[in-house]
Amino acid sequence: GEQVEQLPSILRVQERSSASINCTYENSASNYFPWYKQEPGENPKLIIDIRSNMERKQIQGLIVLLDKKAKRFSLHITDTQPADSAMYFCAASADTGGADRLTFGKGTQLIIQP
Amino acid sequence: AQTIHQWPVAEIKAVGSPLSLGCTIKGKSSPNLYWYWQATGGTLQQLFYSITVGQVESVVQLNLSASRPKDDQFILSTEKLLLSHSGFYLCAWSLGGGGAETLYFGSGTRLTVL
Repeated sequence: GEQVEQLPSILRVQERSSASINCTYENSASNYFPWYKQEPGENPKLIIDIRSNMERKQIQGLIVLLDKKAKRFSLHITDTQPADSAMYFCAASADTGGADRLTFGKGTQLIIQP
Repeated sequence: AQTIHQWPVAEIKAVGSPLSLGCTIKGKSSPNLYWYWQATGGTLQQLFYSITVGQVESVVQLNLSASRPKDDQFILSTEKLLLSHSGFYLCAWSLGGGGAETLYFGSGTRLTVL
């Protein structure tokens, strides 16, 4: 199976600064890397994803980077706002020919401080 | 548009009592369906997946079972709840086809076992 390590577990940043979350994976066959945001009491929602044929993807203030050689991917949130405070999960998945075996990291609690 | 509906929203149950949680997907035929479990403050653990009616695969053993009686329905159940079953249960779906695809989560069921 896959193992995904996510750091840090808690991240405090000042409002309007940048926040970065890093994940590593073990299975070199993993080719899909989504990021989910989960607010308290809510379900996780996909915010951005990247596939192995890309190294960088940006959607507005969200940037994901993928380094396949190092088996590392990261989420960068620029110009953070209080609404960005939430739990963030990275995940990795490989084509299986069947169901998606998405493995999640342990999560990062992002706290945006005014 | 696809919609995913989970029920109930929350349950408080006694240790040793039975449990049945449900999930219905509308607007997508033959989706892959999943059950995930999340301890409070914890990561997302895949429990079961199903790629077709009547076929369910178990990922972890937690004294739970799952069934897919219809193409759009996924049921999670147990005859005897344990304290360790407390947590947030999330149903999810993805496109079929074998490629690594995005998971879309339902709103979840909060289970408290006393």
